[in-house]
Amino acid sequence: DAGVIQSPRHEVTEMGQEVTLRCKPISGHDYLFWYRQTMMRGLELLIYFNNNVPIDDSGMPEDRFSAKMPNASFSTLKIQPSEPRDSAVYFCASSLDSGNTIYFGEGSWLTVV
Amino acid sequence: KNEVEQSPQNLTAQEGEFITINCSYSVGISALHWLQQHPGGGIVSLFMLSSGKKKHGRLIATINIQEKHSSLHITASHPRDSAVYICAVFMDSNYQLIWGAGTKLIIKP
Repeated sequence: DAGVIQSPRHEVTEMGQEVTLRCKPISGHDYLFWYRQTMMRGLELLIYFNNNVPIDDSGMPEDRFSAKMPNASFSTLKIQPSEPRDSAVYFCASSLDSGNTIYFGEGSWLTVV
Repeated sequence: KNEVEQSPQNLTAQEGEFITINCSYSVGISALHWLQQHPGGGIVSLFMLSSGKKKHGRLIATINIQEKHSSLHITASHPRDSAVYICAVFMDSNYQLIWGAGTKLIIKP
């Protein structure tokens, strides 16, 4: 299996632009998680899906952030408009079931200038 | 008080030493994860535990559900073990994953 696949790996964008991060979970996994990692705040859960349905989005920082999972094999995290403080590494992860091993993607390194 | 606490926050040891990282939690959980993050940034899942003990190579993870405590041990440590080790628990009430702050491990040759 190819593992959790994220794209882009690196993105540098100007403040105000829309950013879309993409994730392909491991086939058959029912849970998908979006995390953000910064030096100041460490690793934060933004949102997670179960069977494509958003379950908990309390970690989404504000309305500029949105996440979708239109099908079992694809999810997006969108930031519009982006701000410099959004600069972070965004990880996508998936697991077969709650309490099972979580598999992480390699992360999307976002820099907003 | 954090729901998941790790100790120590930082650990420097010589190659070959036996390493122990501890994790205590205060919530009901369905599982506990140990993860490793290398300086390059990628996160790797090491273990998922709901009871007992698991071993993989030089890594051993144990959990005591009654005491709400888990330990990660590294035997015969090596410089390539240098990384941040993160304990995370899956709450059994809402499936949310709560992270410890991580332990930064440096193994000197």
